[in-house]
Amino acid sequence: ETAVFQTPNYHVTQVGNEVSFNCKQTLGHDTMYWYKQDSKKLLKIMFSYNNKQLIVNETVPRRFSPQSSDKAHLNLRIKSVEPEDSAVYLCASSHDRVQDTQYFGPGTRLLVL
Amino acid sequence: SQLAEENPWALSVHEGESVTVNCSYKTSITALQWYRQKSGEGPAQLILIRSNEREKRNGRLRATLDTSSQSSSLSITATRCEDTAVYFCAARNMGYKLTFGTGTSLLVDP
Repeated sequence: ETAVFQTPNYHVTQVGNEVSFNCKQTLGHDTMYWYKQDSKKLLKIMFSYNNKQLIVNETVPRRFSPQSSDKAHLNLRIKSVEPEDSAVYLCASSHDRVQDTQYFGPGTRLLVL
Repeated sequence: SQLAEENPWALSVHEGESVTVNCSYKTSITALQWYRQKSGEGPAQLILIRSNEREKRNGRLRATLDTSSQSSSLSITATRCEDTAVYFCAARNMGYKLTFGTGTSLLVDP
């Protein structure tokens, strides 16, 4: 099966803890993305990687850091989470940075208590 | 303010009826995309309409694009319960960045 996979599905943690989310795509795409979707469903791009290279880094707090081991994997680490980090984190991929269609994973729902 | 915005915020129709979601955007685009997000899933693209196109169809879906008024619409005919979802428009600018609106929640009742 070719798709975008994310783990975990849900994560509940406390303020100040560190969390890490994983994303893997089996579509053979060169470009991967991390989006944050808030409680009002607004989707905002956080990071974009093309062939393991960071190409887009929107204004996000420094506690967020993407990690890419190869072009099929893009993880997201949040160091010292805060309540406003509660959201759904969506990973996506596209054939390359020029191609329009992005394919999304199911998301990781984070709740910070 | 949002670079892309759908309206209305929410819609409710009965199965079999037609429905239209509108989108306005505030940037020069290379393409306008419509995505659908069902509960518990990530968004999935429905239609991509490029800036030199005026209309695109995909089965029961029809998208229009008017670059002069910076607006787009997505129409769904013969709606089904499984069309219940949040519908987003996403504007792709010259720098390949995709900006999503906040979505229209569509509920299709049996």
